Amino acid sequence: AQSVTQLGSHVSVSEGALVLLRCNYSSSVPPYLFWYVQYPNQGLQLLLKYTTGATLVKGINGFEAEFKKSETSFHLTKPSAHMSDAAEYFCAVRSGTASKLTFGTGTRLQVTL
Amino acid sequence: NAGVTQTPKFQVLKTGQSMTLQCAQDMNHEYMSWYRQDPGMGLRLIHYSVGAGITDQGEVPNGYNVSRSTTEDFPLRLLSAAPSQTSVYFCASSPRDRLVKSNQPQHFGDGTRLSIL
Repeated sequence: AQSVTQLGSHVSVSEGALVLLRCNYSSSVPPYLFWYVQYPNQGLQLLLKYTTGATLVKGINGFEAEFKKSETSFHLTKPSAHMSDAAEYFCAVRSGTASKLTFGTGTRLQVTL
Repeated sequence: NAGVTQTPKFQVLKTGQSMTLQCAQDMNHEYMSWYRQDPGMGLRLIHYSVGAGITDQGEVPNGYNVSRSTTEDFPLRLLSAAPSQTSVYFCASSPRDRLVKSNQPQHFGDGTRLSIL
């Protein structure tokens, strides 16, 4: 079975500050990992994904995530937060060739002036 | 490009009523799924389909039925709505992975916000 844990249901940062959203996963096989973003009253948009190869993955809007197998983590970062980054972020894992995704409970990012 | 289209966007039902949430995709994706999103619980998989004529249960299938008669459409049916089914429902689709190292992301619709009184 696979699972995802997102530490912190709410994170608040100042505009221009570093964004760090934490995600830990468990999977019995090499995982495929995703970060999605959800803006108010919208569906989920893919930020980035990890399959194999380079462990540092770059996504849209300046976000990136690093896959650390030893720590079973896939934390999302952005060097400088912007007001438009305020949204809910979901980490998800898919194991093997199955197309089913398991989502974390989400982290709501607030960006303040 | 329409992508994944869900209708209706909002719906209010009374307990015991039935309804169908529609989902259509125009990307010729084999894999389609339904999730419900509840506060503090993330998205939970209700049912999914790996192709026309094939459906399977996800994590929270009770109270919901699905069918997949065409590649494009994957409707979700509530036969007798209950207040516990008040939620936001998302449909998603993706190409079905055939390669071990492939990683096709799922594309999501904008959701249906369902309230059951």
